[in-house]
Amino acid sequence: AQKVTQAQTEISVVEKEDVTLDCVYETRDTTYYLFWYKQPPSGELVFLIRRNSFDEQNEISGRYSWNFQKSTSSFNFTITASQVVDSAVYFCALSEAGNYGQNFVFGPGTRLSVLP
Amino acid sequence: KAGVTQTPRYLIKTRGQQVTLSCSPISGHRSVSWYQQTPGQGLQFLFEYFSETQRNKGNFPGRFSGRQFSNSRSEMNVSTLELGDSALYLCASSLDAGAILETQYFGPGTRLLVL
Repeated sequence: AQKVTQAQTEISVVEKEDVTLDCVYETRDTTYYLFWYKQPPSGELVFLIRRNSFDEQNEISGRYSWNFQKSTSSFNFTITASQVVDSAVYFCALSEAGNYGQNFVFGPGTRLSVLP
Repeated sequence: KAGVTQTPRYLIKTRGQQVTLSCSPISGHRSVSWYQQTPGQGLQFLFEYFSETQRNKGNFPGRFSGRQFSNSRSEMNVSTLELGDSALYLCASSLDAGAILETQYFGPGTRLLVL
């Protein structure tokens, strides 16, 4: 069965610090997709990234970067030089490509607080 | 371009009642997905509609249903409400292929409280 674990329930950092949010997943499929979403205090989810299981290349987008390692079943998210606006709950999610729907699973989320 | 809109934003119902929530996707988007978010169960996928047809369904009881209209607007209905249905219901839209293959855009959600 699919599972997504985000072991860090809450993280607090001071502005300009770097922070890494961990995501560990479980799946028996060889084809799957991983996602990160951000949920700011307003409640509206924001899509950040999608990665398929055949693309292990790390990605950088501005201050955001993602490290996908199939060997450890991890898809970690790093924010460099954090800002107060980064304060939000971040969700990692997994979907097995052949069974989208019932198997679209979210992690419990990590609440990030960036203090000024 | 207007974003995803959801109405109403807040709703209070009592157990046993039914409720209908509405979602208007971004213009030109034909895929609409619904999610439930609760403190206990977290974020869960409900169902996805595309071209007026339910394309995928999560693991929820039959009390949860939905539909999509020809203009891509979608409604979800919950019958015989239970206390545990209290949640934030989020709607998301994408062009065609759905959440796996496309960027989804989320609405602000409808917060439902069941008393």
